[in-house]
Amino acid sequence: AQKVTQAQTEISVVEKEDVTLDCVYETRDTTYYLFWYKQPPSGELVFLIRRNSFDEQNEISGRYSWNFQKSTSSFNFTITASQVVDSAVYFCALSEGVRDSNYQLIWGAGTKLIIKP
Amino acid sequence: DAMVIQNPRYQVTQFGKPVTLSCSQTLNHNVMYWYQQKSSQAPKLLFHYYDKDFNNEADTPDNFQSRRPNTSFCFLDIRSPGLGDAAMYLCATSPGLAVVGTQYFGPGTRLLVL
Repeated sequence: AQKVTQAQTEISVVEKEDVTLDCVYETRDTTYYLFWYKQPPSGELVFLIRRNSFDEQNEISGRYSWNFQKSTSSFNFTITASQVVDSAVYFCALSEGVRDSNYQLIWGAGTKLIIKP
Repeated sequence: DAMVIQNPRYQVTQFGKPVTLSCSQTLNHNVMYWYQQKSSQAPKLLFHYYDKDFNNEADTPDNFQSRRPNTSFCFLDIRSPGLGDAAMYLCATSPGLAVVGTQYFGPGTRLLVL
């Protein structure tokens, strides 16, 4: 069965600290896609990254980086030098391959990140 | 800029009074989704369209209906809102097979039921 686990319900750090959000997934498919979305207090879900199961290269985008490890079924997200504007709920999600009209996302429960000034 | 637009941003309705939420997109995406999100929870998929093909989630209440008259627009109708239907309703679009799974969200409509 497919599942996404974000064990950290809430994380609170002081501005400029580095912070890592954990994501562990379960799937039986060999082809799958992993995503991170950000949901600030305004409510809109903002797409951050998509990674397919055949690409284990880590990705860096400015202060954001993602560590994909198939061996541990994890897709962790690190924010370096956090800022108050990073405060949001972050969701990890899984999409399993391409199967007929299967375009659904399986969502983790989300991690609320609080950055204190 | 290409985007997903939801109107209104806030909607107040009375218990049992039908309400319609709207979503439009300028991305020309094949797939459109409606999600319900309650406080501190992940979004819950209600239904999605691939072009005009409608896909209803098994646990979506009959009280919720949807229409997609054309590629750009999609509507969520709640026939008889109950207090438990108060939530954020999110519309999303996806290009479909071209970029599997990547969904782009609108700002949401927050529904309050009195």
